[in-house]
Amino acid sequence: DTGVSQNPRHKITKRGQNVTFRCDPISEHNRLYWYRQTLGQGPEFLTYFQNEAQLEKSRLLSDRFSAERPKGSFSTLEIQRTEQGDSAMYLCASSSWDRGGDEAFFGQGTRLTVV
Amino acid sequence: AQSVTQLDSHVSVSEGTPVLLRCNYSSSYSPSLFWYVQHPNKGLQLLLKYTSAATLVKGINGFEAEFKKSETSFHLTKPSAHMSDAAEYFCVVTPLLSGNTPLVFGKGTRLSVIA
Repeated sequence: DTGVSQNPRHKITKRGQNVTFRCDPISEHNRLYWYRQTLGQGPEFLTYFQNEAQLEKSRLLSDRFSAERPKGSFSTLEIQRTEQGDSAMYLCASSSWDRGGDEAFFGQGTRLTVV
Repeated sequence: AQSVTQLDSHVSVSEGTPVLLRCNYSSSYSPSLFWYVQHPNKGLQLLLKYTSAATLVKGINGFEAEFKKSETSFHLTKPSAHMSDAAEYFCVVTPLLSGNTPLVFGKGTRLSVIA
């Protein structure tokens, strides 16, 4: 399967713990996006990378959130000191902007539950 | 700034009858517009996209959408609903050729198909 891969698929953590999610984009894609989706809502943009550079961060991305894409391939999203309000589906997507493609391909997401 | 309004949070149709999911957009620039579908426990899948070519766009699974600039609308239609069409549908906007603005999602429309 050459689609966008996210791990883990599910994560349950206690409030105050740190969690890290991983996203492996489609290999030739230079853009990688993180979105968050809560129940009954559409995905909300968090941040995105072009290659290894983080180009934009949403106001939703508090100081407890950090994302990296160190070699321009896979990306990690870390949430420190998790809160119950962080419970959501975290979606990763990738696209190939250089080829004129603005279509984003999404992974199946990581569902985070903070108890 | 870009935004999307999906006019119905839930649409219910009988199998074999037409589907209409309504979307209005707002964009400071000429937009790219998309419809994505999300089945339970599956990733977001692109149905179709408009990027300033033909105003009537055909997508997968018999869906199509018409871009109407005068009405700032991009409604999704299908002549005959199938049970497998039951899912969440998202209308999405991004400025065409923006280079630096991620996808902005609507809140979604849940489509139910009744046998």
